[in-house]
Order: sequence, then structure tokens, then C-alpha cells
Amino acid sequence: EVQLVEIGGGLIQPGGSLKLSCEASGFTVRNNYVNWVRQAPGKGLEWVSVIHTGVGTLYADSVKGRFTISSDESKNMVFLQMNSLTAEDTAIYYCVRETPFGELTFMDVWGRGTTVTVSS
Amino acid sequence: DIQMTQSPSSLSASVGDRVTITCRASQTINTHLNWYQHQPGRAPKLLIYAASRLQSGVPSRFSGSGSETDFTLTISSLQPEDFAIYYCQQSFSTPITFGQGTRLNVK
Repeated sequence: EVQLVEIGGGLIQPGGSLKLSCEASGFTVRNNYVNWVRQAPGKGLEWVSVIHTGVGTLYADSVKGRFTISSDESKNMVFLQMNSLTAEDTAIYYCVRETPFGELTFMDVWGRGTTVTVSS
Repeated sequence: DIQMTQSPSSLSASVGDRVTITCRASQTINTHLNWYQHQPGRAPKLLIYAASRLQSGVPSRFSGSGSETDFTLTISSLQPEDFAIYYCQQSFSTPITFGQGTRLNVK
């Protein structure tokens, strides 16, 4: 079964750091696009970052310079290192596979999400 | 960044109703448009990709249409499990952007 499972969320103080992990099964993170998408309380979905081992990484402006996405192909996992956290980073973080279809892509596999709360 | 605007923001309907949600892009995105269903506490689910293609396993009462800047998601006959939040999303250019969501409520 194709699946993504996120771990690592929790309560963190402003200015702190947290690392989220995403374990993939049923497919390999190698040569696939894997994203982080978040949903703040009462808000909609916001794209955060993407990694493709053969292409590189991209970040939303709101997290650029603070968040780092990486992968470990031997463990079939993707990570999101989050530094200098603020209350605006409070959200459910979803790990998402993005699949190409011709020139376009779609997000076809979503994890259940992990909750990050930034508060003192 | 491409702005995606959905309407309405919320909608009340009954089981069996036909429902249409619209999504407008701030610039042309051809058919690089996807629709997702999100039920609270669950992972979002892909319904429609490339504007009109039904994702495998999604009931045929869901359909999508449109191109360039204007798109619609239609549910032909609402079922109890369809009450959720619906999002459109463009994959035409980075950053990927979502609409603000349409909450479909029970009337």
C-alpha cells in the first residue's frame, strides 16, 4: 500500500527548532516529488516545500531560510528541519507525494499529518 | 504567485442536491488544476486532476471542467460523506497555490 506517515510534531517555544520526519512506503522517495503542505488553525492549505532527489528543493517564501527539506533514500524518508519557529508556523503539517502527469502534476498521496504548535 | 479564488466560501445543501463550486486563477493555468476533498481530522484526498480527469477510486458523481482561468467542480447528487471542505490547486507554476476552500455544509 502506498502510504506516508509523518512523525515529530509537538509543542515548541517561539524561536525554537523542530524536525519532522515522513516515512514513505509502497514507493521510493528517490526520483519522486515529496512535499510538505501545512494547514494553520482555521485556515486553508499552504504549500511549504518540495524535494526531488534528481532535481532539487524549493521553499515557500514564508519559510525560506528557516526550513530545510532533505531525504534519506536508504531509509525512504523525507525530513523537514524547522528553525526560528514563530506562532505563524503553528499548523498541521502534511507530507504529500506529487506525481507528474505530462506537463502538470497532482498531489495523490497524503499523510495523516502531524501537529506543530509554537507557543510559550 | 498565482492567486486561486474559490466561490462560494461556504455552501449549504441537502443529500441528493447538485452542487457546483467554482475556482478562478489570477492568470492562465491551462488545465493545470486539481481538486481535493478534506474532511476534518483526515488527510486531504485528490478528486480531480488536470481539470477534468477523475482520480481512480473517486465516485463518478464528481466531475470537473474548465481551462485557462475558470474551473468548476460539480457533485451531481450529494451523498452524506460528501460534506467536507473542497480546495482547488494550481500546478502551473511554483509556488503551488491553493484556493481558500469551500465548506460544504448540511442544510
